[in-house]
Amino acid sequence: DQQVKQNSPSLSVQEGRISILNCDYTNSMFDYFLWYKKYPAEGPTFLISISSIKDKNEDGRFTVFLNKSAKHLSLHIVPSQPGDSAVYFCAASDSNTGNQFYFGTGTSLTVIP
Amino acid sequence: NAGVTQTPKFQVLKTGQSMTLQCAQDMNHEYMSWYRQDPGMGLRLIHYSVGAGITDQGEVPNGYNVSRSTTEDFPLRLLSAAPSQTSVYFCASSPWEGAGSNYGYTFGSGTRLTVV
Repeated sequence: DQQVKQNSPSLSVQEGRISILNCDYTNSMFDYFLWYKKYPAEGPTFLISISSIKDKNEDGRFTVFLNKSAKHLSLHIVPSQPGDSAVYFCAASDSNTGNQFYFGTGTSLTVIP
Repeated sequence: NAGVTQTPKFQVLKTGQSMTLQCAQDMNHEYMSWYRQDPGMGLRLIHYSVGAGITDQGEVPNGYNVSRSTTEDFPLRLLSAAPSQTSVYFCASSPWEGAGSNYGYTFGSGTRLTVV
């Protein structure tokens, strides 16, 4: 049973516009969330994280929002650039059980020049 | 700084053959894990280790064995390959400070395995 879900397999956005990637989770014990970016033939690379004590975390063009009541998080990329074209995975963990993360199925983002 | 190194990058096996996927990291990370990535399934945890001599099962451990004799290495063994094990395998590592440590993983570049 998938505990972390990314319901949009793909997303296309014009360069310069905002990209919004969504992620839902079912386990209310999850309290730490990460986003990874993956290019073809490479391993995922860490992008940004958020803990459940916050509802927003920013890093440059990337912002992650967490809505605990809705069990939903989103990644905003502003402005989107062609180099952002990749597959994005969200991941979640329960800190009480340690460093074991559950991953979503990924969203393939294409930024059109 | 090599990070996490996986070998081989590609492998084709016949059903019933055995092989070992190698994973090595040079960051002195205590936590290491193996994931498989399948279309529409995301990354699923196979086995993980929180230190030398300690391993445990993840979500999909059947058909795989692991051992952790050193901090640096965490090999994944397929004892009798099956077509259902066709997948891309990723090794990952991170620092570990027990429950409550939430460090992001450093991933290797993956091994693409095909079982025919």
